[in-house]
Amino acid sequence: KAGVTQTPRYLIKTRGQQVTLSCSPISGHRSVSWYQQTPGQGLQFLFEYFSETQRNKGNFPGRFSGRQFSNSRSEMNVSTLELGDSALYLCASSAGQYNEQFFGPGTRLTVL
Amino acid sequence: DAKTTQPNSMESNEEEPVHLPCNHSTISGTDYIHWYRQLPSQGPEYVIHGLTSNVNNRMASLAIAEDRKSSTLILHRATLRDAAVYYCILHNPMDSNYQLIWGAGTKLIIKP
Repeated sequence: KAGVTQTPRYLIKTRGQQVTLSCSPISGHRSVSWYQQTPGQGLQFLFEYFSETQRNKGNFPGRFSGRQFSNSRSEMNVSTLELGDSALYLCASSAGQYNEQFFGPGTRLTVL
Repeated sequence: DAKTTQPNSMESNEEEPVHLPCNHSTISGTDYIHWYRQLPSQGPEYVIHGLTSNVNNRMASLAIAEDRKSSTLILHRATLRDAAVYYCILHNPMDSNYQLIWGAGTKLIIKP
């Protein structure tokens, strides 16, 4: 099976812009979770989608949003970018909440 | 949501066993103990998980204390490829609102 893929791998934006990141889960996986990883805060949970519904959400402002499509592919959007949004954004897919998560390589976002 | 405590870093010699400890004193009866590792410039990778009994797989062994307040990940024969940050996290699959809390993990350094 192909692993979790994320696009783009690297992205540079300026403050105030918005960005959309994409994640394709492993075939057959219906759960997709998003994480933000920074050197200072480590890995922090953003949200989880299951069958096109947001099932769980972390403590991030409303500028961070996401969605999941019928083919389980997911996107996350960050609006009005701030310098502090610079981070590695990781997507993980799972067959279900009882199963381990498989992570993609991440999208490295730099906000200037 | 329960948390875990791990040493910031550990060193080991190549081809020797490595014991990575994790404390989770507030663990609940339905929390599973999961271990992931993150190699440089990659997303986290699932290693092993368990509930009460010790577990073995091709990558590692997981030893769980009788009171479940601590666990140890055992790499039987460390190689240079095992150098990574190892995360111990708790997961309650019965609670769809359960959020995985990732600590700073243990940075494992393997000396040749």
